Amino acid sequence: AQSVTQLDSHVSVSEGTPVLLRCNYSSSYSPSLFWYVQHPNKGLQLLLKYTSAATLVKGINGFEAEFKKSETSFHLTKPSAHMSDAAEYFCVVTGPLTGGFKTIFGAGTRLFVKA
Amino acid sequence: SAVISQKPSRDICQRGTSLTIQCQVDSQVTMMFWYRQQPGQSLTLIATANQGSEATYESGFVIDKFPISRPNLTFSTLTVSNMSPEDSSIYLCSVGRPNTGELFFGEGSRLTVL
Repeated sequence: AQSVTQLDSHVSVSEGTPVLLRCNYSSSYSPSLFWYVQHPNKGLQLLLKYTSAATLVKGINGFEAEFKKSETSFHLTKPSAHMSDAAEYFCVVTGPLTGGFKTIFGAGTRLFVKA
Repeated sequence: SAVISQKPSRDICQRGTSLTIQCQVDSQVTMMFWYRQQPGQSLTLIATANQGSEATYESGFVIDKFPISRPNLTFSTLTVSNMSPEDSSIYLCSVGRPNTGELFFGEGSRLTVL
């Protein structure tokens, strides 16, 4: 069985300061892990993905995430927040679609960025 | 990647009516997914639509309430039937990359039921 837990429902940072959005997962096999971002009144956009290659994954807009198997974590970070980063972020765990794996979405973390 | 277009982008509907949402993809895909995102919530999978077969519904969702069509490899529709205010949500169409599970989303259809 798979599950994903986003540890914070909302995070507030000041512009220019680091961002940390936490995600823990549970999976009985090697999962694929994703972070998606949803800006207000928009669909979801892929930020980055881990699919069993390098454990440190770089994504768009300066975001990156590190897959830590020992900690079952896949936290999303960015060195310096920008106002445009304010959005909802979803951590997702899944596997190959043709393998019958379920795609599980975390509850989401809303990021607020203060000027 | 895939470009997904959904129509309508938003609508306000009366209780008891039905609304059909259309999803068009710019490439042929085997599996299409319909998600619901209730206000302030995460995404919940409604069903998986495969071309040439009946959609597979997740627990809590039934065909009578959410009939789905999949006439070809680039198009699907989701109908929300006999709507109530509890159906007010964003409905998102999605397609996936089969080997990794990566998903691409449309911008969603924002439905408000009065």
